[in-house]
Amino acid sequence: QKEVEQNSGPLSVPEGAIASLNCTYSDRGSQSFFWYRQYSGKSPELIMFIYSNGDKEDGRFTAQLNKASQYVSLLIRDSQPSDSATYLCAVILLNNDMRFGAGTRLTVKP
Amino acid sequence: EPEVTQTPSHQVTQMGQEVILRCVPISNHLYFYWYRQILGQKVEFLVSFYNNEISEKSEIFDDQFSVERPDGSNFTLKIRSTKLEDSAMYFCASSEMGTSGTYEQYFGPGTRLTVT
Repeated sequence: QKEVEQNSGPLSVPEGAIASLNCTYSDRGSQSFFWYRQYSGKSPELIMFIYSNGDKEDGRFTAQLNKASQYVSLLIRDSQPSDSATYLCAVILLNNDMRFGAGTRLTVKP
Repeated sequence: EPEVTQTPSHQVTQMGQEVILRCVPISNHLYFYWYRQILGQKVEFLVSFYNNEISEKSEIFDDQFSVERPDGSNFTLKIRSTKLEDSAMYFCASSEMGTSGTYEQYFGPGTRLTVT
């Protein structure tokens, strides 16, 4: 089983819609979870982190964590064409190393 | 806003040559990392570094790789004898592990290594 799994997409949503990105992880002891955005040819940019079960909101972004289900998600409200990128889920393992999922490519169509 | 910087942005080298990739982490950060991303593939952890020693390393980080913090600001990744399969984007990252337990890692812009 992969340590961090994401649907590779592509996920396509119209401008103004809600984009929903999902991630599951295998290490039950993981405590820290991150969403990075990566534009083509650029480095990962941290957009959200979440450490506790439940929802965390920051502007148009909401991260959701369910440790019992080993599931973390990212919702992007009012999606904009500039949100088109690959979204990387990352998890800190028990040994404090960070592991990335393969990423979900999101396209927001005007 | 403080940021991680990396040099060079692009390095071309011949197979078998040594390369050194350089990074300047964010100044108050204590943990440093190297990752690589082969074109079209996922970001892969190489090594973490804390208190002047390697904290963790992945199976990718074999004897051909080494890291060093030669002074108070730079953090380097050396590949002793490059192979074609070392061609990738190499990212440096740093994090502040304070009493609040923050683990957020911030990435530099990357160095694209091309081995010919």
